[in-house]
Formats: sequence, structure tokens, C-alpha cells
Amino acid sequence: NAGVTQTPKFRILKIGQSMTLQCTQDMNHNYMYWYRQDPGMGLKLIYYSVGAGITDKGEVPNGYNVSRSTTEDFPLRLELAAPSQTSVYFCASHFGSEQFFGPGTRLTVL
Amino acid sequence: GENVEQHPSTLSVQEGDSAVIKCTYSDSASNYFPWYKQELGKGPQLIIDIRSNVGEKKDQRIAVTLNKTAKHFSLHITETQPEDSAVYFCAENTGNQFYFGTGTSLTVIP
Repeated sequence: NAGVTQTPKFRILKIGQSMTLQCTQDMNHNYMYWYRQDPGMGLKLIYYSVGAGITDKGEVPNGYNVSRSTTEDFPLRLELAAPSQTSVYFCASHFGSEQFFGPGTRLTVL
Repeated sequence: GENVEQHPSTLSVQEGDSAVIKCTYSDSASNYFPWYKQELGKGPQLIIDIRSNVGEKKDQRIAVTLNKTAKHFSLHITETQPEDSAVYFCAENTGNQFYFGTGTSLTVIP
């Protein structure tokens, strides 16, 4: 199993641009999560999904959108990038108690 | 579930000494408390966890203790080694969401 994979690894956006962060897991987990991690801070939950077709907001959803059309994929969409969205983004899937994290996407908005 | 405090933010120990990291939480409904290790440039990885019906759990050099009455839990690493150097996060699970502490940067000095 590849586990949780994320693309791209790095990205620089201009203010106002849009992009989609991709996340895929091959473990057939129903639960998936998107977090952002700012320097010196813990992970903040953006959105999560308990299964295909079901998504819900986390602590910091403003400026983001998600979809979950399949069990495997959980993309995160930024429509109008802002400097405040500069962060490292982690996708995770959840089975039983354990969360499995992807390697992260480092996003800079200039 | 939103308020998880973690201390200290940085910790330096001599190789072979013990390290202790403490977290407090506010939601009495929380029932699962994982600890994650994050190495530079990687996603967090689960190292140990504890459920609310257990007071202590040990896995080789790592142990976690939970005091539900006081709403705090701690990570103990004994006989520290240089490869233990990383950022450690506590978290608590309420319902479908995980809330993370702000992290402890542990440095083990050879």
C-alpha cells in the first residue's frame, strides 16, 4: 500500500489564483481529513469526510472547499488564494483509532 | 474539544535522560488521546495512544499516562536517543474530530 499520497509537494500561488490540492489513499478508509499547520502551531482541521458523498467543516473552513466523490480521493480546493493561506497542508485518513498522514503540501501565497 | 494545551514548547535533554511532555484538555467527552512524532519535512506519525478507560500504557521506551479527573495526559520517553529528536504533538478525539496541541520540539544532545 502507498498509504496517503499528496500532490503537489510544493506550490507558489499569486493572490487571487486558485488551485486544488490532491489527496489519495489506498487503504479503503472511510474517514479523511484536511489539516493546515502553521509555524509553531499544531494542526488545525479544515474539512473532514466520513465517507464518499459526505463532507463537513472543521475549525478553519473559510476560503476552502472539498469534495468526496470516491472513497480514495479527497481534494481540497482554494478558490481565491490569500497570503493567510500560506501554510503546510496535511491530508489524513482514519481507520479505527489511528490517523495516517500524507507527506504534506507546502503552499506559499504571494 | 478545541482547547488542548501542550507544554513545554521546546525541550533539550542529554542522551540517556528522560523527557516528559504534558497536555491538558477541556472536553470531558474526549475519549481517545494519541501522541504523534513529526520529523522534519514529514507528516505526523502515531507513536502511542491511550483510551479514557486506561490510566497508563507503555511501549518499550515510550509511555503515556492519563488523568481523566484532572483532564491531563503526558508522554514519557526514557533512555532518550538522538533519533528521538523531533516535534511531538498530543491530540484528543471528540466525535469525528481530532484537536491537536501546539507541539514540543525535543532535542536529544549526544
